[in-house]
Amino acid sequence: TQLLEQSPQFLSIQEGENLTVYCNSSSVFSSLQWYRQEPGEGPVLLVTVVTGGEVKKLKRLTFQFGDARKDSSLHITAAQPGDTGLYLCAGWNYGGSQGNLIFGKGTKLSVKP
Amino acid sequence: DAGVIQSPRHEVTEMGQEVTLRCKPISGHDYLFWYRQTMMRGLELLIYFNNNVPIDDSGMPEDRFSAKMPNASFSTLKIQPSEPRDSAVYFCASSITSGGDEQFFGPGTRLTVL
Repeated sequence: TQLLEQSPQFLSIQEGENLTVYCNSSSVFSSLQWYRQEPGEGPVLLVTVVTGGEVKKLKRLTFQFGDARKDSSLHITAAQPGDTGLYLCAGWNYGGSQGNLIFGKGTKLSVKP
Repeated sequence: DAGVIQSPRHEVTEMGQEVTLRCKPISGHDYLFWYRQTMMRGLELLIYFNNNVPIDDSGMPEDRFSAKMPNASFSTLKIQPSEPRDSAVYFCASSITSGGDEQFFGPGTRLTVL
């Protein structure tokens, strides 16, 4: 069974601080996605990383895929209250003729003004 | 496009009752997914369809759960009989392809079974 472990589970910081959240697995994934979920809504895709070692930036968010494609990190610079939400990583691994996403349990981020 | 539409948004029912959750995927998306989200277990895939055909239902917890997709624009998830441990938020998502493609989620149905 493939599992994605996310850490920390909860994170509460002040506006302006930097933070990093992690997504780890013992399995290799073909690609990995990061989603953000706000209260009362469904997850929304932020980014997809495909190549080992790949780094993608989305404004103040930096995503990295591990060289071995088993782990990923999300770094937020100068966090703002609008960054508050549940951050989910999801790995995809091709299995046979079909495949599906495996989700981690998420990191719940609270940014206080 | 209106995005993925789910109904109802909230459902409160008593143990033993039948519950039906509804989903309308984004037009043109060939894949439809049903997920359940709880604090303890996170987001779990229950079943997914490709072109209205169920592909993998290994996540369906037990025979009380069933899902159908009679056409490309409608799917249902039914729980009969419902139990308190079924209380969760149920999400429907759709995507153009399956290969790690972006999944577009609906707003979810919050189910409470008393």
